[in-house]
Amino acid sequence: ETGVTQSPTHLIKTRGQQVTLRCSSQSGHNTVSWYQQALGQGPQFIFQYYREEENGRGNFPPRFSGLQFPNYSSELNVNALELDDSALYLCASSLGTSGSSYNEQFFGPGTRLTVL
Amino acid sequence: AQSVSQHNHHVILSEAASLELGCNYSYGGTVNLFWYVQYPGQHLQLLLKYFSGDPLVKGIKGFEAEFIKSKFSFNLRKPSVQWSDTAEYFCAVNAKPSNTGKLIFGQGTTLQVKP
Repeated sequence: ETGVTQSPTHLIKTRGQQVTLRCSSQSGHNTVSWYQQALGQGPQFIFQYYREEENGRGNFPPRFSGLQFPNYSSELNVNALELDDSALYLCASSLGTSGSSYNEQFFGPGTRLTVL
Repeated sequence: AQSVSQHNHHVILSEAASLELGCNYSYGGTVNLFWYVQYPGQHLQLLLKYFSGDPLVKGIKGFEAEFIKSKFSFNLRKPSVQWSDTAEYFCAVNAKPSNTGKLIFGQGTTLQVKP
């Protein structure tokens, strides 16, 4: 069973640029959640995708957007990067069913984004 | 708004000492509760979870946690820590009912166990 993978591992961008982060979900999982973890803080929920549709969003501006593909892999896109976007971005996959309250999320290793 | 508070930011213990990490949440409804651990250089991993039933839950590696509804608390315990327990520990909450798996995390506690 392949776990959750994320790419790239590290990324350095400058303010104003755009970035795309990628996540491959664990085999058999159809739900992907994205979290931002700033240094010294716990992860914060950005949004979740279930069967290619956004299924909940946290308190992040619209310049944070995402996609989920038919194979359930996912992308997180961030436009107009700001210094405060520097963080570890975590992807978590789970097996969701319609109307389910919660299914265990399995986390990837994260992408470390530095904005200069 | 829902929030999770972990009172200890950095804990240093000697091997064989007992551990208790505090976690309180603010939410008036029913919740699912979790403790995650992040060992150095590794992914976030689930230590244990509480959904319903017995408020004392046991997890991996000898950890347990007790849900006290009246105190909105879910403290993590281990009777005797080992050097290998050095890691960052996160308490998290998922509010019910919910159509998403949105987890709200505390800010984390760094545990350092001295051999």
